[in-house]
Amino acid sequence: QLQLQESGPGLMKPSETLSLTCTVSDGSTRSSTYYWGWIRQPPGKGLEWIATMYYSGSPYYNPSLKSRVTVSIDTSSNQFSMKMTSVTAADTAVYYCARAITTSGAYFDHWGQGALVTVSS
Amino acid sequence: EIVMTQSPDTLSVSPGERATLSCRASQYIGSYLAWYQQKPGQAPRLLVYGASTRATGLPARFSGSGSGTEFTLTISSLQSEDFALYYCQQYNNWPLTFGGGTKVEIK
Repeated sequence: QLQLQESGPGLMKPSETLSLTCTVSDGSTRSSTYYWGWIRQPPGKGLEWIATMYYSGSPYYNPSLKSRVTVSIDTSSNQFSMKMTSVTAADTAVYYCARAITTSGAYFDHWGQGALVTVSS
Repeated sequence: EIVMTQSPDTLSVSPGERATLSCRASQYIGSYLAWYQQKPGQAPRLLVYGASTRATGLPARFSGSGSGTEFTLTISSLQSEDFALYYCQQYNNWPLTFGGGTKVEIK
């Protein structure tokens, strides 16, 4: 059974760079079938798509975050990652990694449990 | 970007009754629509994709319908485990966008 697990800092200060990693178990990030994505959810609010990537080729980014976000895949360790620069309190959220199925855009069929990231001075 | 609007914000339903959730896209998305369920403290769970295809293992009481800009998720007979938040998501275009959610609560 595919499993995804996010890992990250928990608590950060404004202006720092957020780094999150998703470890994939019982599945391969080098799959030719699936993409991999990041979605976030501020406390008490809805879902916001951040980015989706394939093991090769250019990722897709949410234009509202593109200037601050970079995603990458490390197929050798079966992980994928996200970096977000210059975080503010508005970036406080639960960050989910997920497996994506692409037909036109992408939907997400397996999700990690989520990692809460709090940005506070 | 395509804006997804869900209604109502909250739906109060008695167990065993039918629940009908709506999702509207600001422009045509064909059948590229997914529905997710989220319970408190949990990650979203995929319910439906392609507007009407149930995810693996999803009970038949859940059904999705619609195309174009208007979509519906119907739960035919609500069970206790169905009281949750529900989100729609379009995947016709990048950026991917979600609706604001409908909370299904016990009446």
